[in-house]
Amino acid sequence: EPEVTQTPSHQVTQMGQEVILRCVPISNHLYFYWYRQILGQKVEFLVSFYNNEISEKSEIFDDQFSVERPDGSNFTLKIRSTKLEDSAMYFCASRGQGDQPQHFGDGTRLSIL
Amino acid sequence: GDSVTQMEGPVTLSEEAFLTINCTYTATGYPSLFWYVQYPGEGLQLLLKATKADDKGSNKGFEATYRKETTSFHLEKGSVQVSDSAVYFCALVDYYGNNRLAFGKGNQVVVIP
Repeated sequence: EPEVTQTPSHQVTQMGQEVILRCVPISNHLYFYWYRQILGQKVEFLVSFYNNEISEKSEIFDDQFSVERPDGSNFTLKIRSTKLEDSAMYFCASRGQGDQPQHFGDGTRLSIL
Repeated sequence: GDSVTQMEGPVTLSEEAFLTINCTYTATGYPSLFWYVQYPGEGLQLLLKATKADDKGSNKGFEATYRKETTSFHLEKGSVQVSDSAVYFCALVDYYGNNRLAFGKGNQVVVIP
């Protein structure tokens, strides 16, 4: 069964550094998402992406965050200058048309030191 | 905005016991409802879904019925196994409103042999 893949599985970065989290969505999917889960808290929506542009973003997704689909397969989340509070598990998801459900990757654990 | 509430606290039960995890939601539109499961060290996997009132989602012995009158989507399994130990998340999305999944806090389920 096709799946969403995320790399790396764990990223350790110094505060203030830029980090790029990578995702390969399921190949025929059209909608792409990033979520995060701070340890012990709810899974929170960050951003959705469709037709090569952001379709919706949450209040968490400020100017430090950006997303890109640089080619036909990858979907990336960039954090420009990381803060301690960015430490979390970041999940990528994708879905097809209509009311098809979102399928999630295994996540990238981001640790900011 | 749309939101999901899950019962507080972890759930510990013996193998072959009956499992119920409560989930209620608040939504202004006509949401689709989901249960996702997160096994230790893994990502979020779709367990089951229901897209309209009175639909019953089922998978791997788990069931949940979309109850519009009580705005609920409780998860049940008649006889749990040790392998069902995981965190279970209730979630909703309104594809005709915003595009984001709103998650509950999740419930840790521990099944003891």
